[in-house]
Amino acid sequence: AQSVTQPDIHITVSEGASLELRCNYSYGATPYLFWYVQSPGQGLQLLLKYFSGDTLVQGIKGFEAEFKRSQSSFNLRKPSVHWSDAAEYFCAVVLSGTYKYIFGTGTRLKVLA
Amino acid sequence: ETGVTQTPRHLVMGMTNKKSLKCEQHLGHNAMYWYKQSAKKPLELMFVYSLEERVENNSVPSRFSPECPNSSHLFLHLHTLQPEDSALYLCASSQDGDPGGEKLFFGSGTQLSVL
Repeated sequence: AQSVTQPDIHITVSEGASLELRCNYSYGATPYLFWYVQSPGQGLQLLLKYFSGDTLVQGIKGFEAEFKRSQSSFNLRKPSVHWSDAAEYFCAVVLSGTYKYIFGTGTRLKVLA
Repeated sequence: ETGVTQTPRHLVMGMTNKKSLKCEQHLGHNAMYWYKQSAKKPLELMFVYSLEERVENNSVPSRFSPECPNSSHLFLHLHTLQPEDSALYLCASSQDGDPGGEKLFFGSGTQLSVL
């Protein structure tokens, strides 16, 4: 069955530290891959997406993600976290030609001052 | 106007009530979605409309009834809900150039509590 796994439910980092959020997917083919962020009381906002080509993708707010086909992973990274990055982050996948976006359970990021 | 607007933001209803959630998108998109977000669970896709035609119906109970009168508006009609239906209901839209290839734009959601 198709699935998305975000193994870390909560992550706490200090402001200025680097960040890596993990995402693994299980799919019959390589899907399109996304990272979204959700601030409290808000909907989800797209950070970045991967369709094809360069496996290192740049997004908004200084985030990047790397697609590794051999590991079925699409991990999100940021070299220096800001307090405003505290939010919940969702990895999502969808197969081309379908509307069935599948989301992970999310990783809640806490940033210490 | 923001891209995707949902009303109301909060809704409390009894199990015997009938209410409706409204979603309006101002982005010129032609696909609209309803998702359910419950604590500690992945977002659950409920319904998808493309060009006002329902294209996905994800085994949702009949007490949830969607309506898409035009490409800018989407409703979710609720009746005889159960307490386990309490959740954040998110509306999203996308441009249907390449289904599955386009990003979703989300509204802020309706926080529903069923008593």
